[in-house]
Amino acid sequence: NAGVTQTPKFQVLKTGQSMTLQCAQDMNHEYMSWYRQDPGMGLRLIHYSVGAGITDQGEVPNGYNVSRSTTEDFPLRLLSAAPSQTSVYFCASSYSPLAGGRITGELFFGEGSRLTVL
Amino acid sequence: GNSVTQMEGPVTLSEEAFLTINCTYTATGYPSLFWYVQYPGEGLQLLLKATKADDKGSNKGFEATYRKETTSFHLEKGSVQVSDSAVYFCALLNSGGYQKVTFGTGTKLQVIP
Repeated sequence: NAGVTQTPKFQVLKTGQSMTLQCAQDMNHEYMSWYRQDPGMGLRLIHYSVGAGITDQGEVPNGYNVSRSTTEDFPLRLLSAAPSQTSVYFCASSYSPLAGGRITGELFFGEGSRLTVL
Repeated sequence: GNSVTQMEGPVTLSEEAFLTINCTYTATGYPSLFWYVQYPGEGLQLLLKATKADDKGSNKGFEATYRKETTSFHLEKGSVQVSDSAVYFCALLNSGGYQKVTFGTGTKLQVIP
């Protein structure tokens, strides 16, 4: 009963380092997304994907890359980390039962990855 | 664009008190509305939802009614418990083609015995 699995749970980086946050889901959801959570700002959408091979930008995409080669996985890459990217990152997925592959809005979240950039 | 505004927290209540957390939204068309809850150290999980005007979503004693005339979706519970202590997020999904769920800033609720 894994659901959405994120790794690592905690990570400390130095400015300029790169890393990848992993996200995997076992519910065969077409839709996957990445959010960051910052105090006083709620959740902000970074990138999302409506299916394998298809990705699009959210509100705050700068400094992040994504790819979707399989239905199960949606990694988030930081190419050159900056202190402004210190945050808690959440991966979320959803099934798409509506016409045109649209989602219902019920998202299934992972437990989060806390990233600190020094 | 779409936006969700929630009352600022934290909200501190005694056990068995009545809870209201206000939420208003801005969106074009007819969005679906949601309340998510985040317990300490966990990811968010869906608490309740409403997909059209005048719908009432309910779960675990919590309720919220979709009010299109006031663009609101306030969360209520008649008698809170210590176990309800969490952060509550109001959210919307626009009815258009954009597949993006927009969240409010969250309201932290602390219930004391």
